[in-house]
Amino acid sequence: GAVVSQHPSRVICKSGTSVKIECRSLDFQATTMFWYRQFPKQSLMLMATSNEGSKATYEQGVEKDKFLINHASLTLSTLTVTSAHPEDSSFYICSARQSYEQYFGPGTRLTVT
Amino acid sequence: AQSVSQHNHHVILSEAASLELGCNYSYGGTVNLFWYVQYPGQHLQLLLKYFSGDPLVKGIKGFEAEFIKSKFSFNLRKPSVQWSDTAEYFCAVNANNAGNMLTFGGGTRLMVKP
Repeated sequence: GAVVSQHPSRVICKSGTSVKIECRSLDFQATTMFWYRQFPKQSLMLMATSNEGSKATYEQGVEKDKFLINHASLTLSTLTVTSAHPEDSSFYICSARQSYEQYFGPGTRLTVT
Repeated sequence: AQSVSQHNHHVILSEAASLELGCNYSYGGTVNLFWYVQYPGQHLQLLLKYFSGDPLVKGIKGFEAEFIKSKFSFNLRKPSVQWSDTAEYFCAVNANNAGNMLTFGGGTRLMVKP
């Protein structure tokens, strides 16, 4: 089956620093990947749609200059949280689209101190 | 814009009890419907999906869901739950005019007591 990996699984960083999270589709190519954010005990909220070779599409309320997305190849999308603050602490999940389905990565827990 | 609501936030059942989790969506057009499960410490996995055809969909691990178009519902059912079904369940909808975007419901946390 389709497998999606994320790296790192957990990261702790200091306020003001930047963190890069990678999302890879391991056994298929994905022209479209999605980035979600999940707060404790809440559902997934779509942050942006990442399209290979073009700019990401951000959902309303998501700061594109803060959450930089790069989809440089058909198997890799990256999310960079720039100048992270404690309120950015969350669980970030990516998914990769194959046909009409999305396959989810295991998530990355970001803690900003 | 489409929205998805799951009425039960927390459900506690004993083993062998029957399960039904509600899911309603708001969108008048054609939709694709999904149920995902997230076991503790694991990532989201697809339980079942509906695109077209028979509105009663059977998924993995004995789960099934019924699409009732007139009620805008896609409830998840299982006749007899097991302790290993303890997890969080998410209903998701993709409207045909929303590209590949999924809108998730708030999730239902199921605890099955042994």
